[in-house]
Amino acid sequence: QKEVEQDPGPLSVPEGAIVSLNCTYSNSAFQYFMWYRQYSRKGPELLMYTYSSGNKEDGRFTAQVDKSSKYISLFIRDSQPSDSATYLCAIRGGSNYKLTFGKGTLLTVNP
Amino acid sequence: EAQVTQNPRYLITVTGKKLTVTCSQNMNHEYMSWYRQDPGLGLRQIYYSMNVEVTDKGDVPEGYKVSRKEKRNFPLILESPSPNQTSLYFCASSLRFSGANVLTFGAGSRLTVL
Repeated sequence: QKEVEQDPGPLSVPEGAIVSLNCTYSNSAFQYFMWYRQYSRKGPELLMYTYSSGNKEDGRFTAQVDKSSKYISLFIRDSQPSDSATYLCAIRGGSNYKLTFGKGTLLTVNP
Repeated sequence: EAQVTQNPRYLITVTGKKLTVTCSQNMNHEYMSWYRQDPGLGLRQIYYSMNVEVTDKGDVPEGYKVSRKEKRNFPLILESPSPNQTSLYFCASSLRFSGANVLTFGAGSRLTVL
């Protein structure tokens, strides 16, 4: 089983839709959970991170972590065309603190 | 402006011709890392450096070399490039290698090896 699994999509939604992006992970030692956003022809940039189980909200974005299920989610409310990008989950933890990335989900928000 | 700068941004080369991709950060970060990004495979770590003169292999180090002689610079060296090293390369840095330290990525270097 891969350490971090993420559905690559692509995912196409109309403007204003609620978007749900998800990752599962296998190592219960993982402690830090992050979401990076990568626009075309750019490097990834941090969108959100969380340490514990539960929800963290930032504007239209909500990151959710369920450690018991080893499942993390990113919700985007009122999605905009400017949200069109690849979203990568990234998880850190374990004995060597290695940061492991999901493969990324390509999201397109259509006007 | 705080940033990670990679050069060149685009490069086409031929098999066996040594090349270096430079990476420089202006944030006094201790930790630096190189990744390659390929369709269907995502971001994979090539090498990383915890600090000056401290480097270690990531998941896909074969065919690459690095050095960290100065804190700000972390060049990636391809001694004898092969077509399977055609990829999009990212350099990244963070203040330290611990906790939720956030990686700052460069804009990427697209390499094609013919």
